[in-house]
Amino acid sequence: ETAVFQTPNYHVTQVGNEVSFNCKQTLGHDTMYWYKQDSKKLLKIMFSYNNKQLIVNETVPRRFSPQSSDKAHLNLRIKSVEPEDSAVYLCARNWDTQYFGPGTRLLVL
Amino acid sequence: GDSVTQTEGLVTLTKGLPVMLNCTYQTTYSPFLFWYVQHLNEAPKLLLKSSTDNKRTEHQGFYATLHKSSSSFHLQKSSVQLSDSALYFCALSPSNMGYKLTFGTGTSLLVDP
Repeated sequence: ETAVFQTPNYHVTQVGNEVSFNCKQTLGHDTMYWYKQDSKKLLKIMFSYNNKQLIVNETVPRRFSPQSSDKAHLNLRIKSVEPEDSAVYLCARNWDTQYFGPGTRLLVL
Repeated sequence: GDSVTQTEGLVTLTKGLPVMLNCTYQTTYSPFLFWYVQHLNEAPKLLLKSSTDNKRTEHQGFYATLHKSSSSFHLQKSSVQLSDSALYFCALSPSNMGYKLTFGTGTSLLVDP
C-alpha cells in the first residue's frame, strides 16, 4: 500500500488547453513529489514540496505549476499543454524512500 | 551533478537462469541507492535500498551490494522467474539532499519460459 492516490487515471486533451492533476497521500509524510515519465520510460523529477513549501523545482517549462493546499495534497497544473507534455505524471511521497502513486497518463492531441 | 548509469537497455533470459543488472553512479555526496521495479502499466515500486558500504541487501529474491569504491550497486538474482519480467530502475539520492531521486535510464528484463 503506497497510500498515494492520483486522479484522473487518464486524460486526453488538445493543444493549448489547461489541465490539472490531483495527488493525495494519507500517511502524513511531509514531502511530496511530481515526476514525469516520458514515452521512453525515462523518469525525471519535476517538483518537490516539503510541508507545503517548494524545495525542488527542476528545469520545467513555466506552464507547469505545482499547487499545495496542505501537506497531504500536491496538485499539478499545466496552463497550456503542448504535444511533448504527453506522458505519465507520477506523484510520490516520503523523504529518503519514495513511494509512487499509480500515475496520470496525459495524451495531448 | 549527480548521475546514474544503467548500461543494459534490454536483458533477455530464460527462466531459472541468474541475472545481474548493472548500475553505477556519480555523486559528490554520501549516497543512498535504490532499485525500483515497474511492471507494465503500473507505478514504480521500491525493490531494495542501501546506504551502507559493502553490505548486501535482499528483498524478494533480489539482492545488491553498495560498493562505494567502485560506485556500483548492481542488482542480482540467482534464478529469474517469468513474473520478474519488468522495467528496473536504479536511483540515487545524496544523503544531504534526500528529497531528490536521480534515476537511471532503466533496464527491461524479459524472461522467457
